[in-house]
Amino acid sequence: GIQVEQSPPDLILQEGANSTLRCNFSDSVNNLQWFHQNPWGQLINLFYIPSGTKQNGRLSATTVATERYSLLYISSSQTTDSGVYFCAGNYGGATNKLIFGTGTLLAVQP
Amino acid sequence: GAGVSQSPRYKVAKRGQDVALRCDPISGHVSLFWYQQALGQGPEFLTYFQNEAQLDKSGLPSDRFFAERPEGSVSTLKIQRTQQEDSAVYLCASSPTRTAFDTQYFGPGTRLTVL
Repeated sequence: GIQVEQSPPDLILQEGANSTLRCNFSDSVNNLQWFHQNPWGQLINLFYIPSGTKQNGRLSATTVATERYSLLYISSSQTTDSGVYFCAGNYGGATNKLIFGTGTLLAVQP
Repeated sequence: GAGVSQSPRYKVAKRGQDVALRCDPISGHVSLFWYQQALGQGPEFLTYFQNEAQLDKSGLPSDRFFAERPEGSVSTLKIQRTQQEDSAVYLCASSPTRTAFDTQYFGPGTRLTVL
């Protein structure tokens, strides 16, 4: 079946540091989304990025669809960036369901 | 505008009880999804509605799980005779159209604990 793998599984940063999170997917996607799940469990949309590069403040994302990976960059990290980051791919078909990766647990320390 | 809302936010049930979880999608959104998230895992697909039609229920883990969206807006996920393995967060998401090229917006989830 389709697999979405994320690395690293866990990451601890000091406030102000930069990081790169990676998402590999096993098949071509129609769209790729990045989410931040905050400590209260809310999934917050970060990027809808089937291909190319987008930036939003301190965050940016790049998807290389032909090589089946996506990267999320966090610059100048803050404690509020802590939580779990998920990527999820939509492979189309009749359902348009998202298949989620395993997540990266990020802890930003002051 | 208002996002996706879910109720209740927390539900504790005794094993064997029936529960009903409600989802109010973003107004006008055609597609509605239910996902289940076990502790420490990513969300997993349960079922999908396009307006009132349930087009995919392949992710429902057993026939104890039932979902409906009778008027194409609010949806209810019902679990009959709950078991301990049903304990999880149940997430609802909606998207504006029926295509794959759409962002899905998630609600805050309902955390179900079965004792």
